[in-house]
Amino acid sequence: QKEVEQNSGPLSVPEGAIASLNCTYSDRGSQSFFWYRQYSGKSPELIMSIYSNGDKEDGRFTAQLNKASQYVSLLIRDSQPSDSATYLCAVKGAGGTSYGKLTFGQGTILTVHP
Amino acid sequence: GAVVSQHPSRVICKSGTSVKIECRSLDFQATTMFWYRQFPKQSLMLMATSNEGSKATYEQGVEKDKFLINHASLTLSTLTVTSAHPEDSSFYICSARDPTGDQPQHFGDGTRLSIL
Repeated sequence: QKEVEQNSGPLSVPEGAIASLNCTYSDRGSQSFFWYRQYSGKSPELIMSIYSNGDKEDGRFTAQLNKASQYVSLLIRDSQPSDSATYLCAVKGAGGTSYGKLTFGQGTILTVHP
Repeated sequence: GAVVSQHPSRVICKSGTSVKIECRSLDFQATTMFWYRQFPKQSLMLMATSNEGSKATYEQGVEKDKFLINHASLTLSTLTVTSAHPEDSSFYICSARDPTGDQPQHFGDGTRLSIL
């Protein structure tokens, strides 16, 4: 069973701070990693995708990937109350019966307070 | 704008009713679509992979005779929950991926199914 683990939180940060969300995965062959944001009652929305080791920045969001440590993270700079949501880490399966399928972590609830 | 459209957004019906949910890819042809279910305060669980022109692939523990999937065209997959019961009440979400290159999955808006 391929697993993706996240801290469920809740993670609470003040407005303007950096929020750091972490994720580990068990499938060492995985090559594609995604962060989705899900507001309550809504479907997930893609925030970032990352495929290579290192950092990838998009606006206030930075994804970090370390395949050797099987670790992927998401940093949100200048956090805003509108960033309050559940953040889902997803890993795409690399082979076998999991090929092409996304496995989701349990999600981290982020609250940004004014 | 949305690249995956899902309909209906909410269904409330009596126990024993069959419910059909549609998932359409708007900007690309999707040979593969995915159906997920999400219970309150839980993450998304993959139910099945919908393959255009062939049978769907179901995850372990998902009853294929209860959750019928049809993927008759490159832009449309349907999930039919047959003889729904209260325990089938959940948030059902479809996704699709542009097969050109290594594209991420995009999700429909989801269908909130409530069985009375």
